[in-house]
Amino acid sequence: SAVISQKPSRDICQRGTSLTIQCQVDSQVTMMFWYRQQPGQSLTLIATANQGSEATYESGFVIDKFPISRPNLTFSTLTVSNMSPEDSSIYLCSVGGDYGYTFGSGTRLTVV
Amino acid sequence: GQQVMQIPQYQHVQEGEDFTTYCNSSTTLSNIQWYKQRPGGHPVFLIQLVKSGEVKKQKRLTFQFGEAKKNSSLHITATQTTDVGTYFCAPFTSGTYKYIFGTGTRLKVLA
Repeated sequence: SAVISQKPSRDICQRGTSLTIQCQVDSQVTMMFWYRQQPGQSLTLIATANQGSEATYESGFVIDKFPISRPNLTFSTLTVSNMSPEDSSIYLCSVGGDYGYTFGSGTRLTVV
Repeated sequence: GQQVMQIPQYQHVQEGEDFTTYCNSSTTLSNIQWYKQRPGGHPVFLIQLVKSGEVKKQKRLTFQFGEAKKNSSLHITATQTTDVGTYFCAPFTSGTYKYIFGTGTRLKVLA
């Protein structure tokens, strides 16, 4: 299965600022997925990122708040914009599908 | 949005006891995946079930897909401290065309 390198692993950010999270995959993949996991909760899909097209966002998530880039088949970034304490969460990227998903190690974001 | 319920939400067992988590859906599922997330870690894929009534085993773990493909279970025999973590089901429904993670069951094993 694919290996994903995600960074940063954690960050503490001031409210109103933005943080960009990067994910690098060791093989070419068509789709990459971004999830949010709030403390003690399940995973919620934020968006699906295809190379060469705009990401598809799930209900409750908008591009202005969570812009995503997918410049090639092995890399994607998620930006959390204009952060507030409610954005404090773990953000994970993932690849896969019908044969299981592989996740990055996650970015633990704390907004103060 | 759609939410997939798992029961129980939490389970504390003595080491050596068995453990079961259930994943229930109101709609028929195409297939279902199971994941384990250790404390502080990320979800790790365990298995996928596709067929009605399917049963798969991985050592002490037994996964089952309901006959009506509306529910699934994960059973761990003789738990060990290494089984600690949260277990998530992630069913795929043709209505959403994506995998939705269940609410999860957090397992704690007491030595």
